[in-house]
Amino acid sequence: QSALTQPPSVSGAPGQGVTISCTGSSSNLGIGHDVHWYQQIPGTAPKLLIHGNTNRPAGVPDRFSGSKSGTSASLTITGLRTEDEADYYCQSYDISLRGVVFGGGTLLTVL
Amino acid sequence: QVRLVESGGGVARPGRSLKLSCGASGFIFSNYALHWVRQAPGKGLEWVALISYDGREALYADSVRGRFTISRDDSKSTLFLQMNNLIPGDTAVYYCARGAYGTVLPPFDSWGQGTLVSVSS
Repeated sequence: QSALTQPPSVSGAPGQGVTISCTGSSSNLGIGHDVHWYQQIPGTAPKLLIHGNTNRPAGVPDRFSGSKSGTSASLTITGLRTEDEADYYCQSYDISLRGVVFGGGTLLTVL
Repeated sequence: QVRLVESGGGVARPGRSLKLSCGASGFIFSNYALHWVRQAPGKGLEWVALISYDGREALYADSVRGRFTISRDDSKSTLFLQMNNLIPGDTAVYYCARGAYGTVLPPFDSWGQGTLVSVSS
């Protein structure tokens, strides 16, 4: 049972948009800790996609956006492309667990 | 550019030990917290341990506390993970990752390529 809950999978057609949710609690997102998002293409290391809830590192397309409200956060991907097929993970810090926590991951399929 | 390279993975029997290393380059090593993250075959990411930029603070996931020890050698820009009393559940690809500047909090902006640890009798 992860401290952050994500749907196991989402899907969308090329050109469409999807949203991946990440639900936390009062010991992580709810207490104000930031959420960060990672993209992992199978067989490769994770890549930072969104940091500090809404910020994109250099080189990440603006098709990727993040938001956070209370104990929940979301990653939205617009204009889906086949190369977006990957696993996506949210991450934060949990004061009760005294450590970093990841969501269980969401597999995005571009149909 | 920032580069992290893990080594030391391999096959170990249950109850034995392994020590992973992560060599870093391209940044001022002593300014950053560092983390180990693992991924069991077909599973998601699991944070394992962190060490603060100054080495004074180390935190561990419940699953490894008391068995694993994280350390760093700033003179060699190298991060370590000493893994003792290994169990089959420790089988995973182990990644080292760079944390944020001057804090133990995420995000992790750079990752190594990972090293595979397999624990089996």
